Amino acid sequence: AQSVSQHNHHVILSEAASLELGCNYSYGGTVNLFWYVQYPGQHLQLLLKYFSGDPLVKGIKGFEAEFIKSKFSFNLRKPSVQWSDTAEYFCAVRDTDKLIFGTGTRLQVFP
Amino acid sequence: NAGVTQTPKFRVLKTGQSMTLLCAQDMNHEYMYWYRQDPGMGLRLIHYSVGEGTTAKGEVPDGYNVSRLKKQNFLLGLESAAPSQTSVYFCASSTPGLAGTQYFGPGTRLTVL
Repeated sequence: AQSVSQHNHHVILSEAASLELGCNYSYGGTVNLFWYVQYPGQHLQLLLKYFSGDPLVKGIKGFEAEFIKSKFSFNLRKPSVQWSDTAEYFCAVRDTDKLIFGTGTRLQVFP
Repeated sequence: NAGVTQTPKFRVLKTGQSMTLLCAQDMNHEYMYWYRQDPGMGLRLIHYSVGEGTTAKGEVPDGYNVSRLKKQNFLLGLESAAPSQTSVYFCASSTPGLAGTQYFGPGTRLTVL
């Protein structure tokens, strides 16, 4: 079965800093990959997704992710974070009819 | 269009009590899911359903039962609650072709004393 690893558990940044959150999945073949965000006290929302095609995927709020098949990775990036990006970020991979989530990365952005 | 709703929002149980969490969606989605979220463990799938009348086990099904009698509703039951079931429970739904694009409910915070 698929699995997902997020190695950054807690990231602290100042506003305007660049962000990269790591995500690795366990095995290849056709994969569907996702990043979800959970703002404090809220439910999960989809940030972006990769199904096929261009490996550089753009999502909402200026986020993007790059699918690198050779590295089994789908890292999330943002060139300049804002205080409002403080949230928990989850990477997920589709496994037939369900999603397998990583353990999440808590991002804190300070003004 | 309410999306995915969950009832109740908060609940406190004593060990051994039972309860049912209700998830409802108005998007005509075939697939529905129940997750639990615990600090440092991400979201773990409890049970899911790919259509009315069907259910399947996820990663952590023990101690929970589910039913999907109507397409729009997915019930999660705890027959005999344990402190280890203290968690935040999220329901989600999706369409078959986009099983990863899930829409989540607001969550139910359950405490078992």
